[in-house]
Amino acid sequence: ELKVEQNPLFLSMQEGKNYTIYCNYSTTSDRLYWYRQDPGKSLESLFVLLSNGAVKQEGRLMASLDTKARLSTLHITAAVHDLSATYFCASEDTGTASKLTFGTGTRLQVTL
Amino acid sequence: GAGVSQSPSNKVTEKGKDVELRCDPISGHTALYWYRQSLGQGLEFLIYFQGNSAPDKSGLPSDRFSAERTGGSVSTLTIQRTQQEDSAVYLCASSSPNQPQHFGDGTRLSIL
Repeated sequence: ELKVEQNPLFLSMQEGKNYTIYCNYSTTSDRLYWYRQDPGKSLESLFVLLSNGAVKQEGRLMASLDTKARLSTLHITAAVHDLSATYFCASEDTGTASKLTFGTGTRLQVTL
Repeated sequence: GAGVSQSPSNKVTEKGKDVELRCDPISGHTALYWYRQSLGQGLEFLIYFQGNSAPDKSGLPSDRFSAERTGGSVSTLTIQRTQQEDSAVYLCASSSPNQPQHFGDGTRLSIL
């Protein structure tokens, strides 16, 4: 059974600071997704990581994938209040279903 | 519309009643997924459709849950004889091959 562990569960950080969210997954899935969810809203796709060593950046967010370590990271640079949300990583089952197994989510709160 | 559409957005019903949740995927997306998001269990996969067939129903929690998809488009998730533990946000997603899943806003289901 595919398991995805994400930490920390909650992160409070000041504007301007840097931090990293970690996502470990248990099988040999090579596709890793990051989503953002605002309160009461749905999931917004941020990044798709398809191969070992993949790195993608969008604004103050950068995601990377190490398939050998079964680890993905989401790095936040110089956080701003607008980044406050819950971030989920999800590993794709590369069998027939392509269903996603989600981590527990990291609730990020950026304070002024 | 441009995105995945779900209805109703909110549903409150009494324990023991049946409910139907609807999902209208992005036009042209052949894959459709149902997930459930609850405080205790996080985001859980329920069922996957490819076209009108459901090759993976492994996430349906009990035989009270069923889903169908017609015309390769709209899907309905039916919960019979609802229980309080069915209270959750039910999310639908659709995708094209090798593309990230796009999520709807969800149906918030409350069982009294």
